[in-house]
Amino acid sequence: RKEVEQDPGPFNVPEGATVAFNCTYSNSASQSFFWYRQDCRKEPKLLMSVYSSGNEDGRFTAQLNRASQYISLLIRDSKLSDSATYLCVVNSGGYNKLIFGAGTRLAVHP
Amino acid sequence: DTGVSQNPRHKITKRGQNVTFRCDPISEHNRLYWYRQTLGQGPEFLTYFQNEAQLEKSRLLSDRFSAERPKGSFSTLEIQRTEQGDSAMYLCASSTSGGSSYEQYFGPGTRLTVT
Repeated sequence: RKEVEQDPGPFNVPEGATVAFNCTYSNSASQSFFWYRQDCRKEPKLLMSVYSSGNEDGRFTAQLNRASQYISLLIRDSKLSDSATYLCVVNSGGYNKLIFGAGTRLAVHP
Repeated sequence: DTGVSQNPRHKITKRGQNVTFRCDPISEHNRLYWYRQTLGQGPEFLTYFQNEAQLEKSRLLSDRFSAERPKGSFSTLEIQRTEQGDSAMYLCASSTSGGSSYEQYFGPGTRLTVT
């Protein structure tokens, strides 16, 4: 079983739609959680950290359920520019190495 | 540009050759990480430096791989006797060790193709 599992998609949605991505992780000792965004053939870019209380940044809302070891990302009012791969990431171990999911592809169409 | 930089951006080499990649982290970041990413997968951790000390290596990092960070600033990743399976994007990331220390920022990567 992979340490971080995500639905690979692709999710094909029209502009303005709301889309949700889910992710599960296996290491209950993980302390930090993130969503990164990766455009084709580019480096991952930090989208947002995920806190236990849930957090929101504009159109993006992230939630964490430690008991279920589950992380989610909600994107409201999707834009064409949101088309990318969204990587669910947890830290692992004392040296803070990041464990990435394989990513969920999102394609927003006009 | 004050972000993480990597050189070269692309490298094509023949099987059996040695290659070396360089990473320059964000200047105030004392933590530096190397990851490898293959098509359709997320990045996989390779190794980690705090200042000049290499504190963790993944089992993915075979004897053919070596990484250094001699002065605690830039880092190099060398692959000896390259194999076709080494073809991947090699990503470097850096972070601080306080505050939002878990947030890592990535460079543009070096794409290696072994023919």
